[in-house]
Amino acid sequence: AQKITQTQPGMFVQEKEAVTLDCTYDTSDPSYGLFWYKQPSSGEMIFLIYQGSYDQQNATEGRYSLNFQKARKSANLVISASQLGDSAMYFCAMKDTGRRALTFGSGTRLQVQP
Amino acid sequence: ETGVTQTPRHLVMGMTNKKSLKCEQHLGHNAMYWYKQSAKKPLELMFVYSLEERVENNSVPSRFSPECPNSSHLFLHLHTLQPEDSALYLCASSQEGLAGRETQYFGPGTRLLVL
Repeated sequence: AQKITQTQPGMFVQEKEAVTLDCTYDTSDPSYGLFWYKQPSSGEMIFLIYQGSYDQQNATEGRYSLNFQKARKSANLVISASQLGDSAMYFCAMKDTGRRALTFGSGTRLQVQP
Repeated sequence: ETGVTQTPRHLVMGMTNKKSLKCEQHLGHNAMYWYKQSAKKPLELMFVYSLEERVENNSVPSRFSPECPNSSHLFLHLHTLQPEDSALYLCASSQEGLAGRETQYFGPGTRLLVL
């Protein structure tokens, strides 16, 4: 069975600083994908970044990067140069290859302070 | 055109009402999903349609009835709901066949309140 753990219910960061949101996962499948989504108060789940289990390099998308440590089964999201608009819930999710369902963590609420 | 749209955005209904949620995707994807997000619970997958055929159903109560008339549209028909069904209902779509790299793109959700 797949499981995603996000141990930080809430985080604060100063504007323009970097922040790391933690995510650990568990799966018995050797082939899987890891995803991060942002959910503002409006409710929409916005896709941020993807990491495949066989990808050799850490994924990056603009100010977002994924610190993928396969042996530790962790997939932390790093947001550089935080902006006020980054304040939202952030969800880590995973999907085994061949499965359709995403398994989500409980989320981390990030608040960016001016 | 926004990738995945959902209507209505907000819905209040009584337990004896019948209503439907609508989802439309403009991404050319071949799979669509319904998720439920309750307060203080992780997102739960309800239904998956691939090529308009239901391929996964996570033991959802029969008071929720999905319909996928074509690859771009997905409905969730609601009848005799319970107050505990109050939640945010999210629709998503993806393109299957990408060897695990199928990213799901979500709509803005419908906030449902059952009185």
